[in-house]
This record gives sequence, C-alpha cells and structure tokens, in this order.
Amino acid sequence: SQQGEEDPQALSIQEGENATMNCSYKTSINNLQWYRQNSGRGLVHLILIRSNEREKHSGRLRVTLDTSKKSSSLLITASRAADTASYFCATDGSRLTFGEGTQLTVNP
Amino acid sequence: EAGVAQSPRYKIIEKRQSVAFWCNPISGHATLYWYQQILGQGPKLLIQFQNNGVVDDSQLPKDRFSAERLKGVDSTLKIQPAKLEDSAVYLCASSLALAGGGRTDTQYFGPGTRLTVL
Repeated sequence: SQQGEEDPQALSIQEGENATMNCSYKTSINNLQWYRQNSGRGLVHLILIRSNEREKHSGRLRVTLDTSKKSSSLLITASRAADTASYFCATDGSRLTFGEGTQLTVNP
Repeated sequence: EAGVAQSPRYKIIEKRQSVAFWCNPISGHATLYWYQQILGQGPKLLIQFQNNGVVDDSQLPKDRFSAERLKGVDSTLKIQPAKLEDSAVYLCASSLALAGGGRTDTQYFGPGTRLTVL
C-alpha cells in the first residue's frame, strides 16, 4: 500500500496564486522527496528534504517537514500555467514509496 | 546528458499474451528501478537492481513478471501472461548509486511505456 497520502487530491488555482499541497505518511523515514509528473510523461524530481531538516527552498518551491506529525507540505509561489501537473510526495525508508498525488491545474 | 530511454512508448496486447519493455539508464548510473503506475495512482516499485544484482523485488508478482539487467546496463521487464489488471504505465528510473544506510539517491525517470491489456 502507498505510504504517502497527498491532500488535496485536486487543486485548481489562477496563475499568480500560490499552491499548497500536503503529504502525510505513516512510518519513519530517511528523507522525503517531491516529484512532478506532466500528463503522459515521466516523473521529474523537484526537491529532497532530509529527516533532520525542517524547511527547504528551491526557486519558487518551499518544502516543510514535520517528523513529529509525519507530514510535509509543498508550496509553489506565483504559479504559472506550466506548473499544471500531478505532484507526488515519496517517502524514503528502505525504498521510495509514492503517494497518490495531487493534480494541480493552474488557469491562465 | 541523455536521459533514461524506454521503449516502446505504447503497447496494446490481448490478455494472456506476453510483452517486454526495455530500458536504457543514464550512463554511469549503477541503480535501476522498474515501477508500475496504475491510472490515478502513484508509482509502485516492482524491482530494483544495483549493477546487475537484484536489491529489492519484494513487490514483483513473480508468477508472471520477470526482469533482468544483464551486464549491469540495459534492463528488460517481461510480463507473461498478461492480465487485464496489468494495464498501467511502466516507468524505468535510474540513480547514480545506492547510498549507505538504505537511503536512495535522486531517481531520474524515463517517459514510461503505456500498456493496455484488452
């Protein structure tokens, strides 16, 4: 079964707005990763946050990790139409285990 | 740098037929992964190789699925015989190395093979 669970399942926003996606998981992890998948294509690695880190930034992306609550969030600031994709969190214990993803639609 | 290559991109077969997928990882990447992604779900790891040895195949349905990575480079994944529930996208990924302590490197994914079983 999938360990990570993303919330919401789907999110629709206007260009320029911020998008926040959440991920909860069940067991202890070494790190947590976020991936993006455009329709019909492979996954692209966005960012990795280690279990001893609380926040990480990469361009317009901000990821937080709360190991006490077993949760993470991905914030995309100033969204663009090109950010339209599915976003997956993946927890890294002995293997990478993906959640079911959040489908983000950014309307121009 | 060339990415992970997969072929074919699409395959349609009848149930009980056999099918094979091919993957060429990024040059120099020791670890290769095969994932199954059913529509609407996240990818699920089927098998993981480091060089030409199997690291994890605990989620591979071994009665019908097999995979090999001869010479530690290219890999093939085979399904024989296929069932309707095997309809999915099969993703190949590679990473530079398997870090110590069970932690994995960043994985780079290919475009996938979309399999439809009728």
